Amino acid sequence: DIQMTQSPSSLSASVGDRVTITCRASQSISSYLNWYQQKPGKAPKLLIYAASSLQSGVPSRFSGSGSGTDFTLTISSLQPEDFATYYCQQSYSTAETFGQGTKLEIK
Amino acid sequence: EVQLVESGGGLVQPGGSLRLSCAASGFTFSSYWMSWVRQAPGKGLEWVANIKQDGSEKYYVDSVKGRFTISRDNAKNSLYLQMNSLRAEDTAVYYCARLTYYDFWSGYRSNDYWGQGTLVTVSS
Repeated sequence: DIQMTQSPSSLSASVGDRVTITCRASQSISSYLNWYQQKPGKAPKLLIYAASSLQSGVPSRFSGSGSGTDFTLTISSLQPEDFATYYCQQSYSTAETFGQGTKLEIK
Repeated sequence: EVQLVESGGGLVQPGGSLRLSCAASGFTFSSYWMSWVRQAPGKGLEWVANIKQDGSEKYYVDSVKGRFTISRDNAKNSLYLQMNSLRAEDTAVYYCARLTYYDFWSGYRSNDYWGQGTLVTVSS
């Protein structure tokens, strides 16, 4: 199975900060990489698909990049509603896998 | 409006069985792959299974193979997960999610709509 490793596992930041979360795959997955946001007690929400395509309705401060094994999710200017846990997911394999998550907290 | 509503969760003893259901509305159910994803208490997301539009292809995470069965009834706009031989480690919130393919040939896909989840607790 393809392992997905996110870093950092947790991150403290302030409103207005630029934040980057990294996801690394154990083998090349081309651009088959999605990003989700999850708030406590809620279902995940799709942010980015195919590594860099912004899901409809998602603010443009969110962006994704990368291909092969290394990917990043960037939030250009943190807003109060962005404090949540973020997950990457590979869809290269029929056996999909998620990263362990990155918890973004208010500093 | 796309809606996915899971049901069927609850408390079950180890070794027992449970059948989860997901009622879909607001889109043409028969045109989409569907997924089950779970989340153990305080833990991350774990993909469980995918099923093709007509049910002809199914894929599972290794830890549930031979114990769980994903199925669907397109006439009823419903997705199911039959869970047998349940273990304590199957305790989780189970989410139903729509799987959208953006380009059939490339295979790019993601879960663009999710239900609210149903809690399954396996304990004696």
